[in-house]
Amino acid sequence: EPEVTQTPSHQVTQMGQEVILRCVPISNHLYFYWYRQILGQKVEFLVSFYNNEISEKSEIFDDQFSVERPDGSNFTLKIRSTKLEDSAMYFCASSLPGQGVIGSGANVLTFGAGSRLTVL
Amino acid sequence: AQTVTQSQPEMSVQEAETVTLSCTYDTSESDYYLFWYKQPPSRQMILVIRQEAYKQQNATENRFSVNFQKAAKSFSLKISDSQLGDAAMYFCAYRSRNRDDKIIFGKGTRLHILP
Repeated sequence: EPEVTQTPSHQVTQMGQEVILRCVPISNHLYFYWYRQILGQKVEFLVSFYNNEISEKSEIFDDQFSVERPDGSNFTLKIRSTKLEDSAMYFCASSLPGQGVIGSGANVLTFGAGSRLTVL
Repeated sequence: AQTVTQSQPEMSVQEAETVTLSCTYDTSESDYYLFWYKQPPSRQMILVIRQEAYKQQNATENRFSVNFQKAAKSFSLKISDSQLGDAAMYFCAYRSRNRDDKIIFGKGTRLHILP
């Protein structure tokens, strides 16, 4: 079964450092997402990406965050200057269009295993 | 804006018994999808079951079934014959069908399976 792959699985960084989290979505998917989950809390939407641009972003996704799909396969999340409160699990997800054929899986987001970010 | 509410932070069930996790949501849309995702200790998000709002028939996947009450905006998950491997955090989630939209999650219910 196709998978969404995320690297690294765990990254430890110093406050103020730049971090890039990488994701390889499922190859025929068109919509890409980043979510984060602070330990013990809910899964929060950060950003969605389609057709090489951001479709929607949350209040969390401020100027310190950026996303990119540099080569048609990878989808990256960059945090320019990490803060302690950025420590969280970051999930990448991808999907086909939500208005696809019912039952085809088109309305499902497939998540990666997550990248745990620890900011010291 | 849509919201998803899970009112049970934690639940416990005896192995082999049946448990129901509750979820309510709020939306002004008539067409949407609802999901239950499972997050085991590995923290991976695994799709358990999904429901299209236009379908009156409740979705089932082996031991997992839902009770979808559209008028009440309720979407509960029933797990039959609970197994130790079912122990996890369970998230109820909503996705609009009108746009290629993000998923909105509830806060989750942690399910403990008692041997």
